[in-house]
Formats: sequence, structure tokens, C-alpha cells
Amino acid sequence: AQSVTQPDIHITVSEGASLELRCNYSYGATPYLFWYVQSPGQGLQLLLKYFSGDTLVQGIKGFEAEFKRSQSSFNLRKPSVHWSDAAEYFCAVGALTGGGNKLTFGTGTQLKVEL
Amino acid sequence: GAVVSQHPSWVICKSGTSVKIECRSLDFQATTMFWYRQFPKQSLMLMATSNEGSKATYEQGVEKDKFLINHASLTLSTLTVTSAHPEDSSFYICSARARSVNTEAFFGQGTRLTVV
Repeated sequence: AQSVTQPDIHITVSEGASLELRCNYSYGATPYLFWYVQSPGQGLQLLLKYFSGDTLVQGIKGFEAEFKRSQSSFNLRKPSVHWSDAAEYFCAVGALTGGGNKLTFGTGTQLKVEL
Repeated sequence: GAVVSQHPSWVICKSGTSVKIECRSLDFQATTMFWYRQFPKQSLMLMATSNEGSKATYEQGVEKDKFLINHASLTLSTLTVTSAHPEDSSFYICSARARSVNTEAFFGQGTRLTVV
């Protein structure tokens, strides 16, 4: 069974500082990995995804993530955080079964940005 | 990107009544739709997967008769919470996967259900 672990429940960073959100996964084959962001009371917005190829993935809003198979990790990074980045971030791993993509989500990391 | 719309965004209903939530893919045909439930400050839990024209596949522990899912067309799936009780209060989110896109699913904005 697939699983995702986000070790950090809460993270607080100063505006302008760099950010790294951790994500570790467990999956039997090559994983399909995603990072989503959720603002309060809203749905999920896809930041970036990894399917294959280059292990460093660029996403929207200046985010990037690196797939490291040896560490079973897919950490999300941003060089300089903006106050508007404060939100809940979810890492997810997808399984392509039956033509669908069944996602398993981590428990999320709440990001707070101090001005 | 593709747009998925959920309606309503929020709903309050009385205990014992049924509530229907719609999930529409506005600019693509969705062969597969997924329904998730999110408790406060928790992650999303997959409830069921529905493929157009066939019965939904429910995750373990999800009551089929309680959460009725219909995916009658390539652009619409509905989730009906039957005989709702306060413990059904939650944030429900759908996602839809386009026929032409191999792996990515797009999420709706979610529906906040409160049962009083």
C-alpha cells in the first residue's frame, strides 16, 4: 500500500527566507508525486508534479521539488517565501490503477509566514 | 488548466435530511471522478472513485448506502449524503481526471457540509 509522510505539522518562516517542506513516500513502483496547496476553506491547487524524467521539478509560484529515489523523498522548496504563501501544503502519491489516479495524501504542513 | 466546479460551496441541513453535492468538469470530459472527505485540520481521505457509466468503487469503511455517488455523464458526478447526521459534517472535495490526460486530476473548490 502506498503512504505519504509529512513530518512537519507546522512550519513558520520569515518573509523572504527560504523554505523546505519535507515529504517521504512509500510505494512499490515508480511513484507519481504531487504537491498541492490549500487555502482555508478552499479546494486544492496543484503546485507541481513528478511523473518521470528530470528529478528536479519546477512548479508554479516559484516552487520546486526534487525527487530522490534513494531517500524516498519529494521535498518542496522555495528560495524566498512571500506572505501570500501561507497555507496548508499537501504531498500526495498517485497510483495508476484501472486508468485512474488514486491519490494518497500526507497529513499536510501548515505554513505560517512572519512579516 | 482544466476547471472543476463544485456546487454548493457550503450547505447547512437538518439532521435526517439528504444533501446532494455536484461536481462538474467545465471544459473537459472526465472519465473518472474522485470524492474526498477532509476533517478539520486533517488530510484528505479518498471516499470513492467513480467511472462514467459504472458503479462507484468505495474505499474500505465508507458506507455505500450513506454516500451515494452517481457519475451519469462525462461532465457530472454527484455525491448524495443520505439521512445526514452531525458526524457527517465535513469538507467534501471532488477531483476529476480528463480522458485525454494520463495522470493528473483537477480538484473542485470543495463543499462545506454542516448538519445541525
